[in-house]
Amino acid sequence: SAVISQKPSRDICQRGTSLTIQCQVDSQVTMMFWYRQQPGQSLTLIATANQGSEATYESGFVIDKFPISRPNLTFSTLTVSNMSPEDSSIYLCSVADGTDTQYFGPGTRLTVL
Amino acid sequence: SQQGEEDPQALSIQEGENATMNCSYKTSINNLQWYRQNSGRGLVHLILIRSNEREKHSGRLRVTLDTSKKSSSLLITASRAADTASYFCATATDSWGKLQFGAGTQVVVTP
Repeated sequence: SAVISQKPSRDICQRGTSLTIQCQVDSQVTMMFWYRQQPGQSLTLIATANQGSEATYESGFVIDKFPISRPNLTFSTLTVSNMSPEDSSIYLCSVADGTDTQYFGPGTRLTVL
Repeated sequence: SQQGEEDPQALSIQEGENATMNCSYKTSINNLQWYRQNSGRGLVHLILIRSNEREKHSGRLRVTLDTSKKSSSLLITASRAADTASYFCATATDSWGKLQFGAGTQVVVTP
């Protein structure tokens, strides 16, 4: 299975600022995804990170708020822009390894004050 | 919106007992996956079951899938304190597709 790392593991940020979260995979993968888990809630898909093209966003999520980059098959970033306390969540990246199974990174716990 | 509904929302059992949780979903699926999450950390993949499968086992875990009822169950046998976690089901409507998660079941296993 793919080994996934995320940076930072946690951060405390001031409202109005932006944070970029990195996701690194130890092997090339076709599909990478970004999810959000609000406190006490389940996971919600933010977007699919497409290599070489713009990310595909789910309903309720927009590129201006959550810009995503995917420069190659092992790396992606998610930026949370102009943050407010409502953005306090765990952000997780996941990858699909070609066998339908999705593996998740350890998550980034974000607190916005 | 969430595809799956899980019940119970919370489950408290003693070590050695079995824990069963259920997941229902609304649309046709390609596969269903179960995950475990400890204390708000990353998700650990437990089992994937495809739409043409009815039952799968992995160690102390047993998963069933009933596509006619659009439901799945996860059974943990001989539970241990280390099984204390939140368990989520997630459905995919196609291969390599995005997952829709259920609300999760919080399991507490007391020694």
